[in-house]
Amino acid sequence: EDKVVQSPLSLVVHEGDTVTLNCSYEVTNFRSLLWYKQEKKAPTFLFMLTSSGIEKKSGRLSSILDKKELFSILNITATQTGDSAVYLCAVARGSGNTPLVFGKGTRLSVIA
Amino acid sequence: DTGVSQNPRHKITKRGQNVTFRCDPISEHNRLYWYRQTLGQGPEFLTYFQNEAQLEKSRLLSDRFSAERPKGSFSTLEIQRTEQGDSAMYLCASSPQPQGARGYTFGSGTRLTVV
Repeated sequence: EDKVVQSPLSLVVHEGDTVTLNCSYEVTNFRSLLWYKQEKKAPTFLFMLTSSGIEKKSGRLSSILDKKELFSILNITATQTGDSAVYLCAVARGSGNTPLVFGKGTRLSVIA
Repeated sequence: DTGVSQNPRHKITKRGQNVTFRCDPISEHNRLYWYRQTLGQGPEFLTYFQNEAQLEKSRLLSDRFSAERPKGSFSTLEIQRTEQGDSAMYLCASSPQPQGARGYTFGSGTRLTVV
């Protein structure tokens, strides 16, 4: 059965800290890995990763994929209270015609 | 078209009642997905459509659940004879085919509470 495992499940940090969120996966016919941020309701897209070793960056957020070891990390530097959210990792399989498989998410709380 | 729209935002119902939720996807997206999310869990896949065709249903989708997308535009998800275990956030998402570089666009969800 396809699995996406995120760790830690929750994390509390102070503003200005750097955090690393982990996502490991075991899926058949891996295609890509996606990160989403979920604040109150709708998950919003952060990154899609398809190739190993290529870092994607957006402001203070960055992510990288290791297809050999089957994991990805999401880094957030200089955290702000607005970064408080659940961060979801999802994996796309096959030709892209099958639905995304999500992990349970990491709940990040940034305190002032 | 500003995004994926879901209605209602909240629904409280008594156990045993039927409920129906609606999702309006981004108009040019021909793929539409339903997911369910409970507290502390990630979204769990329920079913998806390509245009009006329902292509896959999860084992999670019991026979009390039915989904339609009659004209390939909006979709409805109906739950019959609701149970307390059905209480969850029901998320709808859409994407183009082939799936673009930005994955799915999610709606804000319908939160169902069964009392």
